[in-house]
Amino acid sequence: QTVVTQEPSFSVSPGGTVILTCGLSSGSVSPSYYPSWYQQTPGQAPRTLIYTTSTRSSGVPDRFSGSILGNKAALTITGAQADDESDYYCVLYMSSGIWVFGGGTKLTVL
Amino acid sequence: QVQLQESGPGLVKPSETLSLTCTVSGYSISSYYWGWIRQPPGKGLEWIGSIHHSGSTYYNPSLKSRVTISVDTSKNQFSLKVNSVTAADTAVYYCARFYLDRGVITTWGQGTLVTVSS
Repeated sequence: QTVVTQEPSFSVSPGGTVILTCGLSSGSVSPSYYPSWYQQTPGQAPRTLIYTTSTRSSGVPDRFSGSILGNKAALTITGAQADDESDYYCVLYMSSGIWVFGGGTKLTVL
Repeated sequence: QVQLQESGPGLVKPSETLSLTCTVSGYSISSYYWGWIRQPPGKGLEWIGSIHHSGSTYYNPSLKSRVTISVDTSKNQFSLKVNSVTAADTAVYYCARFYLDRGVITTWGQGTLVTVSS
């Protein structure tokens, strides 16, 4: 069974930079898994941030960027703002029609 | 602008069948894949399954034995059924549009809470 791993929680200071990662319990994350990232605030539906590793969805500020770092996908937030405080989910598409969500990272901005 | 709206009972009894419908507006359901994602209270997101207008389906292996997703192109809707529900199926259920060629979930419904309780 494929398990996608994320940090359970992370903290960043306003204006700071944070890198959230998305890994696989066995193996490496590569662009062939089409890593995507979603932001969710309490009580709201998720919002699509990044897809195909590094493409920003329409309307997403350029302080959000995606990449592959080592054997993981990464979401970098540069110049964090208070309203970036959210849960962030990584999703891998296994190209067999199967989608696997990571457990999510709760980001605190303080 | 594509919009998705979930509808269905908010309360289902244990051992019964959970049924939800997603109505798509602003876009024809005859393109892309469409499907369901759920989120138990206080927990993370879980992909349930996806369907193409042709009827091609993919399901989460952990739920496959209890889940059926169907599509009605004449109504621009698709539906979810989960059989033999337990309290563990209590969750907010989201319908969504999936773009497989880009591996991205492009659009989400607002979500609907379904509680399994007697």
